[in-house]
Amino acid sequence: QVQLQQWGAGLVKPSETLSLTCAVYGGTFSGYYWSWIRQSPGKGLEWIGEINQSRTTNYNPSLRSRVTIFEDMSKNQFSLRLTSVTAADTAVYYCARGSNYLSSFDYWGQGTLVAVSS
Amino acid sequence: DRVMTQSPDTLSVSPGERVTLSCRASQSVDTNLAWYQQKPGQAPRLLVYDASTRATGIPARFSGSGSGTEFTLTISTLQSEDCAVYYCQQYNNWPRTFGQGTKVEIK
Repeated sequence: QVQLQQWGAGLVKPSETLSLTCAVYGGTFSGYYWSWIRQSPGKGLEWIGEINQSRTTNYNPSLRSRVTIFEDMSKNQFSLRLTSVTAADTAVYYCARGSNYLSSFDYWGQGTLVAVSS
Repeated sequence: DRVMTQSPDTLSVSPGERVTLSCRASQSVDTNLAWYQQKPGQAPRLLVYDASTRATGIPARFSGSGSGTEFTLTISTLQSEDCAVYYCQQYNNWPRTFGQGTKVEIK
């Protein structure tokens, strides 16, 4: 059974960098597309970006200038870095798996609430 | 971006009734459309992908249909555990986008 377990700081100061990591258990890391998605009351569900086994990334244009997604295949993990955060970045962040480049998200992490506040 | 619009925003239904949720895309997404169910405090759960294929373990009372710009999720006989928010999502184009959700309540 595939499980995604995520972790990271739950409180980030404005202008600093948000960092989250997602570990994949019970399944292979290669051959899939790994995404970060966030959910806030004001904007609903928002796809942030993805990385695949070739280390190719796609980002939401609305966040591209501030986002980096990278992976460590040796640990079956991938990570999100979002720079220069503001209160608008306060949300629950999820990691999720897609089966290929045209795919829904079949497995999700448990979610991490990240608040941006001084 | 493909804008996904769901209707209605909220639906109040009696147990045993049939429920129909709608999702419209601003431009065609072919059949690259998924439906998710989300309960409070939980991550979304995949119900339907490729517009009409039920995900593993999803009860047969959930069914999806549509293509292009118009899609429907039907719950044939609503059960109390189906109270949740339902989202559609397109994966035909980047960025992937979600609808704003439809909340299904028990009357």
